[in-house]
Amino acid sequence: GAVVSQHPSRVICKSGTSVKIECRSLDFQATTMFWYRQFPKQSLMLMATSNEGSKATYEQGVEKDKFLINHASLTLSTLTVTSAHPEDSSFYICSARDQGGVVEQYFGPGTRLTVT
Amino acid sequence: GDSVTQMEGPVTLSEEAFLTINCTYTATGYPSLFWYVQYPGEGLQLLLKATKADDKGSNKGFEATYRKETTSFHLEKGSVQVSDSAVYFCALSEMGRGDDKIIFGKGTRLHILP
Repeated sequence: GAVVSQHPSRVICKSGTSVKIECRSLDFQATTMFWYRQFPKQSLMLMATSNEGSKATYEQGVEKDKFLINHASLTLSTLTVTSAHPEDSSFYICSARDQGGVVEQYFGPGTRLTVT
Repeated sequence: GDSVTQMEGPVTLSEEAFLTINCTYTATGYPSLFWYVQYPGEGLQLLLKATKADDKGSNKGFEATYRKETTSFHLEKGSVQVSDSAVYFCALSEMGRGDDKIIFGKGTRLHILP
């Protein structure tokens, strides 16, 4: 089956620093990847849609200069949280849609970010 | 806009009990419907899906039927196990609109007692 990985699985950083999270599709090509944020005991909030070779489309209320997304290849998208603050601490999950797929998205295991 | 409403948790059941988690949706078109499961500390896994009215999705003893007339996609399992303890998310996606965003419900936490 389709597998999506994320790295790192957990990261702790100091306030003001930047953190990069990678999302990879391991056995398929993904023209579209999605980044979500999940707060404790809450649902997933879509942050942005990432298309290979083009600029990401951000959801309303998501700061594009703070959450930088790069989708440089058909198997890799990165999310960089710039100048992180404690309120950015959250669980970040990516998903990828198979290039040949129609409906289904495959989710990564998530990255837990803690900003101290 | 499109939305998904599911029953609030937590839901606590004894092992071998019957499970129902209600889910209803609103959509402008003809969405595909999903149930995802999230085990503690992990990402989401697709549990089952249905892409058109009257379809029944099933997996691991769970099943849900796409009911267009009642705009529902309730999740059921006849006999739950402790290992089913997780958070369950009902979701929809409308590919026909030209995007493939998934709209999630708020999730229902399920606790199964031995």
